[in-house]
Amino acid sequence: GENVEQHPSTLSVQEGDSAVIKCTYSDSASNYFPWYKQELGKRPQLIIDIRSNVGEKKDQRIAVTLNKTAKHFSLHITETQPEDSAVYFCAATDNYGQNFVFGPGTRLSVLP
Amino acid sequence: DAGVIQSPRHEVTEMGQEVTLRCKPISGHNSLFWYRQTMMRGLELLIYFNNNVPIDDSGMPEDRFSAKMPNASFSTLKIQPSEPRDSAVYFCASRTGPSYEQYFGPGTRLTVT
Repeated sequence: GENVEQHPSTLSVQEGDSAVIKCTYSDSASNYFPWYKQELGKRPQLIIDIRSNVGEKKDQRIAVTLNKTAKHFSLHITETQPEDSAVYFCAATDNYGQNFVFGPGTRLSVLP
Repeated sequence: DAGVIQSPRHEVTEMGQEVTLRCKPISGHNSLFWYRQTMMRGLELLIYFNNNVPIDDSGMPEDRFSAKMPNASFSTLKIQPSEPRDSAVYFCASRTGPSYEQYFGPGTRLTVT
C-alpha cells in the first residue's frame, strides 16, 4: 500500500523567512496530493492541493510543487507569519484513489 | 452548511465501558471517513464508507471497534470494551464524490481511564 514520509518533523523559522516541508510517496498511481494545516486543538483543514497532471500550484504565500518521477512533493510558505505556526500534514491518495494516506506531520513554529 | 458535526466533543470513561462516537457528514457528501489521531501514530484511517457502505475497514484496530452508517446523514463508531490505549482524538470527515477534498469535523477527544 501507499506510504508517505514527511520531513522535517519540526521546523522553526523567523517571521518573514520561508519554510519548506517535503514529502515522498511510494505508489506511482497516486494522483492527488493535499496539504492540511492543523492548529492546536483544532481540526485539520485543507490549505492547498495539487493533482498529478500539474507540476506547481500557488495560492498567495503558499505553493506546492510535485515531481512525479521522483515521487515527492513539497510545501513552500513564503513571508511566514506567527499565525502560520501549526502542524502541517501532507497526504497522497491510496491505490484506488479513494482515500488519503497521511504523512506523520511537521510542527512549524514561526518565531516573532 | 454547518460542516461535519461530531458528538460528543469530549468523552471520559472508565476502562471496560462502551463508548459511542457520532458523526453527521455534510449534506450531499457520499463518502465518510473515521480517523484516529495520537501523538505516536499520527492520523490513522480506521474505516471509510461510500454511499453508506463500508469499503475499507482494514484500519480498525481490533474487534472491539465497530462502525455503522445506517443512512446518509449519520454514522457511529463504537468501542466495546474500551481500553486506556484507545485514548485519542477521533475525527470524522466527509467528501462529495467528484472531489477528493475531505472536510474534517471538530473531533471527539476520548480519554479512557
